[in-house]
Amino acid sequence: DGGITQSPKYLFRKEGQNVTLSCEQNLNHDAMYWYRQDPGQGLRLIYYSQIVNDFQKGDIAEGYSVSREKKESFPLTVTSAQKNPTAFYLCASSIRDQNTGELFFGEGSRLTVL
Amino acid sequence: AQSVTQPDIHITVSEGASLELRCNYSYGATPYLFWYVQSPGQGLQLLLKYFSGDTLVQGIKGFEAEFKRSQSSFNLRKPSVHWSDAAEYFCAVARGGGGNKLTFGTGTQLKVEL
Repeated sequence: DGGITQSPKYLFRKEGQNVTLSCEQNLNHDAMYWYRQDPGQGLRLIYYSQIVNDFQKGDIAEGYSVSREKKESFPLTVTSAQKNPTAFYLCASSIRDQNTGELFFGEGSRLTVL
Repeated sequence: AQSVTQPDIHITVSEGASLELRCNYSYGATPYLFWYVQSPGQGLQLLLKYFSGDTLVQGIKGFEAEFKRSQSSFNLRKPSVHWSDAAEYFCAVARGGGGNKLTFGTGTQLKVEL
């Protein structure tokens, strides 16, 4: 079945450590996105990529980094510079440039920094 | 800048009762509007979308939404709620400028009483 796989589902880390969240899709979508979800705040866009080897900052990119070396993969690194990293992280993909609004989401990764 | 307001944080309805979730948007041009649903600990799924044309749009799972430009609203409705509809619902607006970048509201948590 086609879809988006995020791993790990739960992750615990100590303060000051970098963490990488995995996102893989087999939908053959060009565009991929990372959102952060906090209770009562909805979803906020961290980074997005419309094509391999290219990505842009979203609204809250500080303290995060991404890469897009393959069409299928868009990993997110939460660095030690991110002041409040504990959150639920959602990866999504879509057909590029059609502005249909239809994002396909993974099941999320919950990061807890101790 | 685009924004979306969902004034109700929590709503409780009885199974079989009708449902209306409110959404107000702020956007200069004709908006592309969406409703997504999120089950606990899961990603989001698109319920329905409005681009243009008929202001009453039908979606999956028996949901519909009505676009009212004069009120800057895009309220979600369902005539008879099922217990399985308990979830969090997000209204979103497309930002434009290419790509499927969405601005999400803060969400409405729906509880269904049996």
